[in-house]
Amino acid sequence: RKEVEQDPGPFNVPEGATVAFNCTYSNSASQSFFWYRQDCRKEPKLLMSVYSSGNEDGRFTAQLNRASQYISLLIRDSKLSDSATYLCVVKPPGGYNKLIFGAGTRLAVHP
Amino acid sequence: DVKVTQSSRYLVKRTGEKVFLECVQDMDHENMFWYRQDPGLGLRLIYFSYDVKMKEKGDIPEGYSVSREKKERFSLILESASTNQTSMYLCASRGTGGQQPQHFGDGTRLSIL
Repeated sequence: RKEVEQDPGPFNVPEGATVAFNCTYSNSASQSFFWYRQDCRKEPKLLMSVYSSGNEDGRFTAQLNRASQYISLLIRDSKLSDSATYLCVVKPPGGYNKLIFGAGTRLAVHP
Repeated sequence: DVKVTQSSRYLVKRTGEKVFLECVQDMDHENMFWYRQDPGLGLRLIYFSYDVKMKEKGDIPEGYSVSREKKERFSLILESASTNQTSMYLCASRGTGGQQPQHFGDGTRLSIL
């Protein structure tokens, strides 16, 4: 089983739609969680951290469910500019500070 | 803002050459990473370093080595380049602490002919 699993998509949605991505992680003791966004042929960039109580940043809402070991990202009122690949990222326990990246979920927003 | 700078955006080398990819970060981060990214395979960790002169193998270290002589600089070395090392290479740095995010450079698109 992969340490971080995501549905690869693509998710094809019209502008204005609400779309949700889920991600599961295998290590129940994982400590920190993030969503990254990667545009085509560009580097990944931090979209938002994910906190235990859930958090929101504008049209984006992230949730963490530790009991079920999954993280979600909700995008409301999708824009064409939201088209990208969204990477789920987890920091497992242990002494090294490396993060584990999911393979990503591709989102395509169309007019 | 954190700045991670990779020495080249595009690089073309020949099979058998020794190739150096350089990465510099300006945030005094302890941790630095080298990844490669190929279509359909996601990010794969090659090597990482958590301190000067310290290095740890990632998931796919074969055919690569690294050097970290100074805290701000992390170099990836392809000892004898092969065509299957044609890829996008991404460097990243991260501070120490649970909720610290990771910051990436722009990437180097390396072609081995």
